Amino acid sequence: QQQVKQSPQSLIVQKGGISIINCAYENTAFDYFPWYQQFPGKGPALLIAIRPDVSEKKEGRFTISFNKSAKQFSLHIMDSQPGDSATYFCAASPSGNTPLVFGKGTRLSVIA
Amino acid sequence: DTAVSQTPKYLVTQMGNDKSIKCEQNLGHDTMYWYKQDSKKFLKIMFSYNNKELIINETVPNRFSPKSPDKAHLNLHINSLELGDSAVYFCASSQSGTGSNEQYFGPGTRLTVT
Repeated sequence: QQQVKQSPQSLIVQKGGISIINCAYENTAFDYFPWYQQFPGKGPALLIAIRPDVSEKKEGRFTISFNKSAKQFSLHIMDSQPGDSATYFCAASPSGNTPLVFGKGTRLSVIA
Repeated sequence: DTAVSQTPKYLVTQMGNDKSIKCEQNLGHDTMYWYKQDSKKFLKIMFSYNNKELIINETVPNRFSPKSPDKAHLNLHINSLELGDSAVYFCASSQSGTGSNEQYFGPGTRLTVT
């Protein structure tokens, strides 16, 4: 049973375009929703995170949109750059220091 | 300064051997985790420790035994290695009581069992 479903599996975007990755969750106890970026041979790096009390959070070119009623959240990368090419993971957890439940990842390729 | 470090980076060994992976964090966090990333890049929790106490063991075989000598260290010992244990193992840490669950990951240890 996959608690966090992520799509698409892979994404190709032109430089300067918008990259959009979607996630849906099932567990209503989830209270924390981070996105991680992983480059080959490296560990996942925390990019941005949101809690359900807000519908949107923006940090630089990265924005999380959150829809509590639909139990969905998405990552938008504005002005995508070749350096953004990586695998992106959404995750979720209940409140407190609990293990993260990860989506299966999206491999993003930004082409010039 | 490396926040979460792991040794070794690569580990190649034969079936049936016993091996250990070490993890250290210098963030002052009180909670540490081991995650396993399989060949399809799926990340899954294995163990969670808070203040050296085991909190979560996600149906991991008994061959895997974590040990936390202090809050800054969480080591993973694996007995009788099997082919299916081949994966990348990530250590992570976080701080309780902050209202956030920000977890910081180490660089990973790629284990290959032949």
